[in-house]
Amino acid sequence: QPALIQPPSASGAPGQMVTISCSGSSSNVGKNFVYWYQQLPGAAPKLLIYRNDQRPSGVPDRFSGSKSGASASLVISGLRSEDEADYFCAAWHDSLSVLFGGGTKLTVL
Amino acid sequence: EVQLVQSGAEVKKPGESLNISCKVSGYYFNYYWIAWVRQMPGKGLEWMGIVFPDDSETRYNPSFQGQVTISADKSISTAYLQWNSLKTSDSGIYYCARPTQWNQPYFDYWGQGSLVTVSS
Repeated sequence: QPALIQPPSASGAPGQMVTISCSGSSSNVGKNFVYWYQQLPGAAPKLLIYRNDQRPSGVPDRFSGSKSGASASLVISGLRSEDEADYFCAAWHDSLSVLFGGGTKLTVL
Repeated sequence: EVQLVQSGAEVKKPGESLNISCKVSGYYFNYYWIAWVRQMPGKGLEWMGIVFPDDSETRYNPSFQGQVTISADKSISTAYLQWNSLKTSDSGIYYCARPTQWNQPYFDYWGQGSLVTVSS
């Protein structure tokens, strides 16, 4: 199955806001929860947002998620240098598997 | 403290077999699914499949069905990912992760990753 569609890169200056999009279909994002993961260089992914817009404890409220139809977004406000990482969205797919997005590399200028 | 500790890096030749492991501690292993996720060099994440340790029920991504075997040994709280005949395209980092439900990508704990290099 094709991966969920994310822009390959995004960037912003410290303090700015950045939005990363995730586009799917009615077979995945359109009918199921969306999750977001942050992967710092050389590390395993870390859960950032679950069930579209919920933050696990310990995740700063600078990170927020939303979903509309078959698209979802991750917003990072007040960008910090430590936010420089790869970000992946994920959703359950009708074909009985998890689909991940291709990933977005965030650069903090 | 929940920990998923994976086996170390492996260098193999095409056609060889391989078994990598994920040792779990800090929770009752039997009653949580364990998933395996592949990350090819410089690429995104791919969900390979899951195992429920209590009864060894497995579910595979159709793309990986027949290519790998996922299993678990509840007596030692360890999950496995196995290849019978490796290909160079199997090179990548393999993560084990704990999903809170089998049909949601809600992975709250991850292993550190096992690097597999397949080269002649």
